[in-house]
Amino acid sequence: AQSVTQLDSQVPVFEEAPVELRCNYSSSVSVYLFWYVQYPNQGLQLLLKYLSGSTLVKGINGFEAEFNKSQTSFHLRKPSVHISDTAEYFCAVSGSNFGNEKLTFGTGTRLTIIP
Amino acid sequence: KAGVTQTPRYLIKTRGQQVTLSCSPISGHRSVSWYQQTPGQGLQFLFEYFSETQRNKGNFPGRFSGRQFSNSRSEMNVSTLELGDSALYLCASSLGGSRGRAFFGQGTRLTVV
Repeated sequence: AQSVTQLDSQVPVFEEAPVELRCNYSSSVSVYLFWYVQYPNQGLQLLLKYLSGSTLVKGINGFEAEFNKSQTSFHLRKPSVHISDTAEYFCAVSGSNFGNEKLTFGTGTRLTIIP
Repeated sequence: KAGVTQTPRYLIKTRGQQVTLSCSPISGHRSVSWYQQTPGQGLQFLFEYFSETQRNKGNFPGRFSGRQFSNSRSEMNVSTLELGDSALYLCASSLGGSRGRAFFGQGTRLTVV
């Protein structure tokens, strides 16, 4: 079984400032890791994913995340945020075994950009 | 390429009724997963269908059921609705090889009164 902890439920950040959204996971098996974004009244959009290989993963909209196996973390970062980044962000994990499509999500972090 | 389509977008039902939600996956995708999103419990996995077979199931009561048709379209049914079933129900489709690219629909907002 897997679990995901997002330590911050809300993060306010000034426009053009950097941001880091934290995510820690727990799993007894190898995992894939994801960050999704949800805008109001919308579904989830994939920002980036880690499957294997380089631990620094780049995604859409200027976001990146670093997989740290020893700390079981997958923190999301952006060097300079924009008003349009205001949304809820979800970290998720799935087992890496074939046929395992189940995503286990964290509780989400609401990112608010202050003009 | 059309995205994942969920219908209807909004539903209001009365306690005790049943409801059916529909999800049309992206063309070529064989896996459809369903999630329930509520303010209290967050995003929770309901079940996943692959080639018309339920392949994974979450921890929901038997009132929640689903099926998948030969064209990969999926339906989710909730019987004997309770107030606590009010939620955003999200459908996700993928190729099914678990390499991680799931595409989500916009969801169906179910309100039980």
